[in-house]
Amino acid sequence: DAKTTQPPSMDCAEGRAANLPCNHSTISGNEYVYWYRQIHSQGPQYIIHGLKNNETNEMASLIITEDRKSSTLILPHATLRDTAVYYCIVRVADNNAGNMLTFGGGTRLMVKP
Amino acid sequence: EPEVTQTPSHQVTQMGQEVILRCVPISNHLYFYWYRQILGQKVEFLVSFYNNEISEKSEIFDDQFSVERPDGSNFTLKIRSTKLEDSAMYFCASSEQGTSYEQYFGPGTRLTVT
Repeated sequence: DAKTTQPPSMDCAEGRAANLPCNHSTISGNEYVYWYRQIHSQGPQYIIHGLKNNETNEMASLIITEDRKSSTLILPHATLRDTAVYYCIVRVADNNAGNMLTFGGGTRLMVKP
Repeated sequence: EPEVTQTPSHQVTQMGQEVILRCVPISNHLYFYWYRQILGQKVEFLVSFYNNEISEKSEIFDDQFSVERPDGSNFTLKIRSTKLEDSAMYFCASSEQGTSYEQYFGPGTRLTVT
């Protein structure tokens, strides 16, 4: 799986958009970008995934650059409950390639009042 | 909403003892996983399980570890002879398919080896 690079920490004001960047310059054509988060020692929680196109769900938006070498997770109106470690993970979605998730250090997002 | 459950939430054991961590995955899910997180460190993959056998395992998952699905609902992780360095948070996860985008994680079991 391709390696990802994320800033170790970020702050965001409550109610503002949180934009979390991720670099994955060695991503392959069949690899998806996944985002998970972990709120204070709880189990990781899936947020969103994408391949090429931008994606949006009830939790967040995912913007993937045209060359797919980087992406940004956007939480449009961050709340205090969004304070967590956010993980960007790149992997294929293929049984034969293995199903494990490889977590890096992630970005620790602190949402402040 | 269906969720993965884990018991116990906290287990304290003495070095050399055997422990079994229990998980109840989401009922229609077919793939099951164990991960661990040593305090202050990354979440690490241990093993994945499908169709009653291990489909993938990491270097961490040595002969001291085993997994089992003893019935239609439980999924267990056994550590035969615990070491101090096994102290960690252990997370169970499940997914509907191996290609599923979402793995659903349980709340974890904190294992403390003294």
